[in-house]
Amino acid sequence: NAGVMQNPRHLVRRRGQEARLRCSPMKGHSHVYWYRQLPEEGLKFMVYLQKENIIDESGMPKERFSAEFPKEGPSILRIQQVVRGDSAAYFCASSPDRTAYEQYFGPGTRLTVT
Amino acid sequence: GIQVEQSPPDLILQEGANSTLRCNFSDSVNNLQWFHQNPWGQLINLFYIPSGTKQNGRLSATTVATERYSLLYISSSQTTDSGVYFCAVDLIYGGATNKLIFGTGTLLAVQP
Repeated sequence: NAGVMQNPRHLVRRRGQEARLRCSPMKGHSHVYWYRQLPEEGLKFMVYLQKENIIDESGMPKERFSAEFPKEGPSILRIQQVVRGDSAAYFCASSPDRTAYEQYFGPGTRLTVT
Repeated sequence: GIQVEQSPPDLILQEGANSTLRCNFSDSVNNLQWFHQNPWGQLINLFYIPSGTKQNGRLSATTVATERYSLLYISSSQTTDSGVYFCAVDLIYGGATNKLIFGTGTLLAVQP
C-alpha cells in the first residue's frame, strides 16, 4: 500500500515564477492537508481539503497561494509570483475521513526560490 | 492561547543510552502524534496516541490526557535515531478542526 506521494521532491524557481506542488494521498484517503516548514522552524498548518472542497484554509497566506483537490487526480498547492520568503519544505498529509484523526505524511517538497 | 511545548529543546546522547522526551499541551485533544524528522528532512510517523501507551520496538509513548502531557521513550539509542522529534496535537477546544499544531521539537544527536 503506497504511502502519501509528493512531487517534485525538490523544486527551484526564480522570483516571480509559479510553483506547483502535487500530492497524491494514500489509497482510500479522501482528506488532504498541507503544512509548511520554514527554515529552522516547525510545521504550520496551511489548508485542509476534501475532494472538490476546501474545508479550512485559515493557514493560507492571503495572496498568491491557492489549493485544490479535484475529483480526479492529485491535490495541487499553487504559489504564484514566488518570493524568497516562500522557500520552505511543503508537506502533504492525508487521512481516510474527518473522524479518523491520524494523519499520514508524505516526504515533502523542498522549494527554493532564487 | 493554544500551546504545545516540548522539552528538552536539545539532547545529546551516547549510543546505547535511553531518553525521555516530553510534550505538554494546553487543552484536551482529539489527536496526538509523534514524528521523527530525520537529517534528510523526511517526516516519519512514530505514534498516533491521543491516550494510553503504545510500543514499537525500541520506542514507546504514553499520553496522559487528563494531565495534558505525552512522553516519548527511546531505549538503547542508535545514531540513526538522530534528528528532530515533534509532537503534534489537534485540540478539542474550538471543535474538531483536524489541524495539527506542532510543537517546537526536540533536537536529538546520538553520538557513536
